[in-house]
Amino acid sequence: GQQLNQSPQSMFIQEGEDVSMNCTSSSIFNTWLWYKQDPGEGPVLLIALYKAGELTSNGRLTAQFGITRKDSFLNISASIPSDVGIYFCAGGTSGTYKYIFGTGTRLKVLA
Amino acid sequence: KAGVTQTPRYLIKTRGQQVTLSCSPISGHRSVSWYQQTPGQGLQFLFEYFSETQRNKGNFPGRFSGRQFSNSRSEMNVSTLELGDSALYLCASSAAGTGVEKLFFGSGTQLSVL
Repeated sequence: GQQLNQSPQSMFIQEGEDVSMNCTSSSIFNTWLWYKQDPGEGPVLLIALYKAGELTSNGRLTAQFGITRKDSFLNISASIPSDVGIYFCAGGTSGTYKYIFGTGTRLKVLA
Repeated sequence: KAGVTQTPRYLIKTRGQQVTLSCSPISGHRSVSWYQQTPGQGLQFLFEYFSETQRNKGNFPGRFSGRQFSNSRSEMNVSTLELGDSALYLCASSAAGTGVEKLFFGSGTQLSVL
């Protein structure tokens, strides 16, 4: 099935560090969504982006809609232990009524 | 406001059986989507419904089907279960059904096929 490329695949970081991850595609999207998923649970929506170049924050999280509309970036500042989980990006295109999801970035925070 | 509710939470079935999963969207949301999540394939789109009409379907065999009721609640059915159907099945809802708006997920139904 189709998936977007997310990097890094996984990362260990120290508590208090900043984290960056990105999502790339060969297709153009109209909307980018970022999610966090804990084991055995459904993804929880973190940030939604609707315009190329848009920069949106949600607390310590900041995401950007890439200028080319083919990529998106998520930054987490001053990470804390509860940031542990898998982060997914998702791209949506008008008229398809579906999102294509990224391969996920597994974040592990060392206290 | 209650979130997306999926039942049951866990299911164990044997090969050849069929299963029906249920989803209640967020109140007022008219679009319901279903996704399958497996370790190997990640999150894959199954289908999307709006006003009881299926508007898109993913690349899954005909054994996977769904429907939406007039109250926006949705069900999906998998017939003749195979071992590879073991997965977390996620339902998501969105408000206006534009296809490019926020998508909210339920906790999922974990299906194990033995």
